[in-house]
Amino acid sequence: AQKITQTQPGMFVQEKEAVTLDCTYDTSDPSYGLFWYKQPSSGEMIFLIYQGSYDQQNATEGRYSLNFQKARKSANLVISASQLGDSAMYFCAMREGWAAGNKLTFGGGTRVLVKP
Amino acid sequence: DAGVTQSPTHLIKTRGQQVTLRCSPKSGHDTVSWYQQALGQGPQFIFQYYEEEERQRGNFPDRFSGHQYPNYSSELNVNALLLGDSALYLCASSVKNRWGTDTQYFGPGTRLTVL
Repeated sequence: AQKITQTQPGMFVQEKEAVTLDCTYDTSDPSYGLFWYKQPSSGEMIFLIYQGSYDQQNATEGRYSLNFQKARKSANLVISASQLGDSAMYFCAMREGWAAGNKLTFGGGTRVLVKP
Repeated sequence: DAGVTQSPTHLIKTRGQQVTLRCSPKSGHDTVSWYQQALGQGPQFIFQYYEEEERQRGNFPDRFSGHQYPNYSSELNVNALLLGDSALYLCASSVKNRWGTDTQYFGPGTRLTVL
């Protein structure tokens, strides 16, 4: 079974609008971390936001927020006020277990194209 | 503060050859992880180095090996290259934070083409 599933291969969003990228995960470990990364065409994976499994509140970082629904095992990324520079691939990833050094498992990614 | 750096940026090899990719971690980071990203897919974990030892390994053959130096920089070696080894190779560095967890920060990658 896929541990991280991103069901939207690609999507268009109008500049200045908000967009939600879906991510569902599968783990039996009660301790885990969820990450979102942005990958522009240059290739570098840029860390955006992190949510720990025990965090009571949804994580926010500037225009990025994570809609964490633990019971549904979903961790959707919301980008508010989209900008042209937000056009990129977006990957959801999970670290199973709490300890530093555990590997990341990535989803297949969602390509976002922001239209002017 | 320099981020994670990787060299070379691009590399073209032929089948059967050997290749070495290099990574320098972010300042203050002591752990280096390597990932392979095939075209159109998410990255796949190859292995991780900490204190100059391989700490974890993903589902990759022994043709993939690595090393970590005392200054925490790392190398990824691939022997007997196959066409299927063509991919973007990403290095990520991290360090344990006060909560005992970490965040991996990635370099720009090395794009390997095997002909």
